[in-house]
Amino acid sequence: DIVMTQSPDSLAVSLGERATINCKSSQSVFYSSTNKNYLAWYQQKPGQPPKVLIYWASTRESGVPDRFSGSGSGTDFTLTISSLQAEDVAVYYCQQYYFTPQAFGQGTKLEIK
Amino acid sequence: QVQFVQSGAEVKKPGASVKVSCKASGYSFTTYVMHWVRQAPGQRLEWMGWINAGNGNTKYSQNFQGRVAITRDTSATTVYMELRSLRSEDTAVYYCARENGPFDYWGQGTLVTVSS
Repeated sequence: DIVMTQSPDSLAVSLGERATINCKSSQSVFYSSTNKNYLAWYQQKPGQPPKVLIYWASTRESGVPDRFSGSGSGTDFTLTISSLQAEDVAVYYCQQYYFTPQAFGQGTKLEIK
Repeated sequence: QVQFVQSGAEVKKPGASVKVSCKASGYSFTTYVMHWVRQAPGQRLEWMGWINAGNGNTKYSQNFQGRVAITRDTSATTVYMELRSLRSEDTAVYYCARENGPFDYWGQGTLVTVSS
């Protein structure tokens, strides 16, 4: 099975500063026939289900603030929050949806410094 | 609007079974694949399986060794997840989620507690 590994496990960033979370997959999730990376990012706040932020590695879900961006291809991906806001405190997960099982990373806990 | 409402929290004894429901509304039910994902306390999200709501085809994670079954009732626009031979490690929040590339809509989650 494919394994998704995020870094760091936790991160403390000052308000207004940039936050960067990395995700590495054990196999490429790029499918040449569609020219897409099957990689999504989710935000989960306490007591809530995950919410999709980014899909196809870099497409922002409707309604998601443009301070959230995704990049990368193949096996290495990054979620960037350009200017951290208080409401961004959450756990962030990457997920590959190319292979079954659709594996998630272990999560990165983002806090305010 | 798309919405999934799951059944309420359950407390079960080891060895028992649990069946969690997920009622869908706001879209064409049979058009999408539905997944079940669980989250044990402090753990990552774990994929359990999916069902094609149109034709009923299913696929399950090998991690559950035949203990899980996902079904659907198209007339009730509801999907179900049954987990058998429960053990303490199955204590978790169980989510249903719709596949649309990524998982674009999720249920609110159902806490299943396994305790003697």
